[in-house]
Amino acid sequence: AQSVTQLDSQVPVFEEAPVELRCNYSSSVSVYLFWYVQYPNQGLQLLLKYLSGSTLVKGINGFEAEFNKSQTSFHLRKPSVHISDTAEYFCAESNAGGTSYGKLTFGQGTILTVHP
Amino acid sequence: NAGVTQTPKFQVLKTGQSMTLQCAQDMNHNSMYWYRQDPGMGLRLIYYSASEGTTDKGEVPNGYNVSRLNKREFSLRLESAAPSQTSVYFCASSEGIFLLNTEAFFGQGTRLTVV
Repeated sequence: AQSVTQLDSQVPVFEEAPVELRCNYSSSVSVYLFWYVQYPNQGLQLLLKYLSGSTLVKGINGFEAEFNKSQTSFHLRKPSVHISDTAEYFCAESNAGGTSYGKLTFGQGTILTVHP
Repeated sequence: NAGVTQTPKFQVLKTGQSMTLQCAQDMNHNSMYWYRQDPGMGLRLIYYSASEGTTDKGEVPNGYNVSRLNKREFSLRLESAAPSQTSVYFCASSEGIFLLNTEAFFGQGTRLTVV
């Protein structure tokens, strides 16, 4: 079965500091990976996605993520965060095999809080 | 652009009451989904509809039913609400069922409390 693990439930950082939000996936078949962001009292919106090709994926708002097949990881990074980046971030996986073919499986979420 | 619209935004139910959560999308998407979001558990798939006329169970379907009324609308029904169904419910849609180059678009959520 698919599973996605976000290793930190909460990450506090100061403004302009770098941040990394960690995500590990379990699928051994072709996998598509996503990061979504949820601002307070809103729905989720796509930050970036990895489908194939370059392992470094750039998304909106200065975020990027690196696909690492050997470590089954897809960590999200930003070199300098802003107060407006405060939100909950979800890693998600969709794979091309098994009974969960094509459906998104989400991690537990990481709450990023940026302090002034 | 409206995108995915959910109604209502908030609801309080008594145990045993029934209600229907409505969802509509205006992007001509084929696939629609219902998720519930609980603290520390991420989003879990309740039901999905890969295309008009089809529905399938997701990870946590017990206590729910769905109807894909037409291509635009996908409703979620709680026949007899229980406190365990207190959650935030999200509807989403995508062009295809999460395959290459598709993206899920989410509504703003329905916050449901069952007392």
